[in-house]
Amino acid sequence: EDQVTQSPEALRLQEGESSSLNCSYTVSGLRGLFWYRQDPGKGPEFLFTLYSAGEEKEKERLKATLTKKESFLHITAPKPEDSATYLCAVRSGYSSASKIIFGSGTRLSIRP
Amino acid sequence: DTGVSQNPRHKITKRGQNVTFRCDPISEHNRLYWYRQTLGQGPEFLTYFQNEAQLEKSRLLSDRFSAERPKGSFSTLEIQRTEQGDSAMYLCASSPKPLTGVLNEQFFGPGTRLTVL
Repeated sequence: EDQVTQSPEALRLQEGESSSLNCSYTVSGLRGLFWYRQDPGKGPEFLFTLYSAGEEKEKERLKATLTKKESFLHITAPKPEDSATYLCAVRSGYSSASKIIFGSGTRLSIRP
Repeated sequence: DTGVSQNPRHKITKRGQNVTFRCDPISEHNRLYWYRQTLGQGPEFLTYFQNEAQLEKSRLLSDRFSAERPKGSFSTLEIQRTEQGDSAMYLCASSPKPLTGVLNEQFFGPGTRLTVL
């Protein structure tokens, strides 16, 4: 069964303190891996799609990387406004047309 | 605002009552999805429409749940005989028709938070 595990569950950083969030996945033929950001009381906001091992994408202070078993979301010199829950999701090659499976997320808190 | 909209944003109901939620997707998107999210968890897939056709339903979607998308535009999600376990955030998302070799991201609405007393 397809599965997505994110770690840590929660992460508190000081402003400017860089770190990484992990997303481990077990899927039957990965078609794509997504990263979303979710603020409290709001729907997830799309960040990145990664398709194959070795791929990297960047947006402002965020960089997402992908290996055959996991993805990392690196955050460089974070600011308080980066505080949110970061969700990872996968689409497998044998799933239905558009079903994606989410992890439980990492709650990131940046202290000023 | 050209994003996905959902109404109502909050709904409080008593156990046993029926509730209906509405989702208006981004206008040019032909795919529409419903998810359920409980506290501390990621969204869980419920059902998916391509235009007006409901193409997949999760096993999570019991027979008390029904979704429609008449005319391929807005969608409604109805829960009959609500139970306390139905309390959750119900999220709607939409995506455009995919290009070959591209996985289109899903754009999410703000959600409807349901509380069943």
